[in-house]
Amino acid sequence: QQQVKQSPQSLIVQKGGISIINCAYENTAFDYFPWYQQFPGKGPALLIAIRPDVSEKKEGRFTISFNKSAKQFSLHIMDSQPGDSATYFCAASSGGSNYKLTFGKGTLLTVNP
Amino acid sequence: NAGVTQTPKFRILKIGQSMTLQCTQDMNHNYMYWYRQDPGMGLKLIYYSVGAGITDKGEVPNGYNVSRSTTEDFPLRLELAAPSQTSVYFCASRMQGEVFQPQHFGDGTRLSIL
Repeated sequence: QQQVKQSPQSLIVQKGGISIINCAYENTAFDYFPWYQQFPGKGPALLIAIRPDVSEKKEGRFTISFNKSAKQFSLHIMDSQPGDSATYFCAASSGGSNYKLTFGKGTLLTVNP
Repeated sequence: NAGVTQTPKFRILKIGQSMTLQCTQDMNHNYMYWYRQDPGMGLKLIYYSVGAGITDKGEVPNGYNVSRSTTEDFPLRLELAAPSQTSVYFCASRMQGEVFQPQHFGDGTRLSIL
C-alpha cells in the first residue's frame, strides 16, 4: 500500500513558467515532509523540507505548500529554468519510525528553453 | 568531506552469484539506510540501522542482508542474485536527533543481474 501518492508522473513546462508537483499522504504520524531532487546518474539530494506546524515554506524559487487537514503538500517551482530539469520526489517520515523515509514515485520535470 | 560513498558504481552479476555493495560515510551519522530505486517506482527501503550493531528490515528486505560493525560502514549483501534484484541501490545516512534532519544519499550502485 502506497503511503505517499505523487502526481503527475511527468511534467513539461516552458522556461519561466511555474512547475507544480502534488503529493498526498495517509499516515497521520508523519511529521517531516522533504522534497528531493535527483539528476541522472546521481543520488537524490534534499531540496526543501517542511514540518506540519507551518503551511508554507519558501527557499528562493522553491516553495512547499502544506495542507494538514487534507493531508496534502505540493512543490512549486517559480520561474522554472532548464537546469531544474530533474526527477523530483516527495517523501514523508516520522521520528517514531526511526526517520525512515516513505517516497512518492517521482515526477520527471522537463523545462524547455 | 566525502559524505556518503558507494562502491562499486556499476556491476553485472550472473544469476545465483553473490556480492556485497559497500557504503561508507564520514559524517559520524548514527542512522544509515539502504534503498532500491526501480523506474517509476520511487525508492523502497531495504534495511536500515540506528547505530553500530543494530539493524532492522525495511519494506523490501527479502534476498538481502546487512551488517553494521562500525558507525561508518553499512554493507548490503546479495546472497543469490536474481533478475528481480536488477536495480539502482542507494545508501543514505542521517544525523541522530531532531526530526528536521535530512538523509544524505550516495550516488548509487547500478546493478544488473543477467
